[in-house]
Amino acid sequence: QSALTQPASVSGSPGQSITISCTGTSSDVGNYDYVSWYQQHPGQAPRLMIYDVSNRPSGVSDRFSGSKSGNTASLTISGLQAEDEAFYYCCSYRSDNTRVFGGGTKLTVL
Amino acid sequence: QVQLVQSGAEVKKPGASVKVSCKASGYMFTSYFMHWVRQPPGQGLEWMGLINPTGGSISYSQKFQGRVTMTRDTSTGTVYMELSSLRFEDTAVYYCARVGSGSNEYFFHWGQGTLVTVSS
Repeated sequence: QSALTQPASVSGSPGQSITISCTGTSSDVGNYDYVSWYQQHPGQAPRLMIYDVSNRPSGVSDRFSGSKSGNTASLTISGLQAEDEAFYYCCSYRSDNTRVFGGGTKLTVL
Repeated sequence: QVQLVQSGAEVKKPGASVKVSCKASGYMFTSYFMHWVRQPPGQGLEWMGLINPTGGSISYSQKFQGRVTMTRDTSTGTVYMELSSLRFEDTAVYYCARVGSGSNEYFFHWGQGTLVTVSS
């Protein structure tokens, strides 16, 4: 059971926008709108940022947005801030009623 | 407010078993599925499985089939994850995570994590 594919790292300067991709297959990302994104700072539990591809929980900044095209989901962070520096993970429902995470992406704010 | 409180850190020898608990409060326990996710030191998140607190039905990652058992006690609002035949590579922080409302296909609330160390 392969993990979803994310870039190992992305970076951007304060105020810029970045996008993190999450590539799966037709058994997960491609056929289900159940992709979620999590932010994790060192030593902390993950925090939900986006659910069901593009929905934002209350309390999450509108600088965070999600989308999907085919087998690839994306998380975009606009107006980068220093506090956004963290690891980001995508997760998807899979056709066999399991769930699968991406390998994680380290976001560095330059 | 929703709280998921996990049991404390454990140190186990290879071949032993460990049982981690996650006590839920602040909501109707039987209304939301609970998942288990682990994270080895310096590595990413890994989904282990889920349990439906209502009927106890489960779904496990193929990777852990035969080694993991997830159970629940509706009288105390607690879910358990037991992992047997422990190996060094099972050293990780183990999280319970409750789904959100609506689609129920995301993890809205997380426990604080339980560090399990496998060492000889």
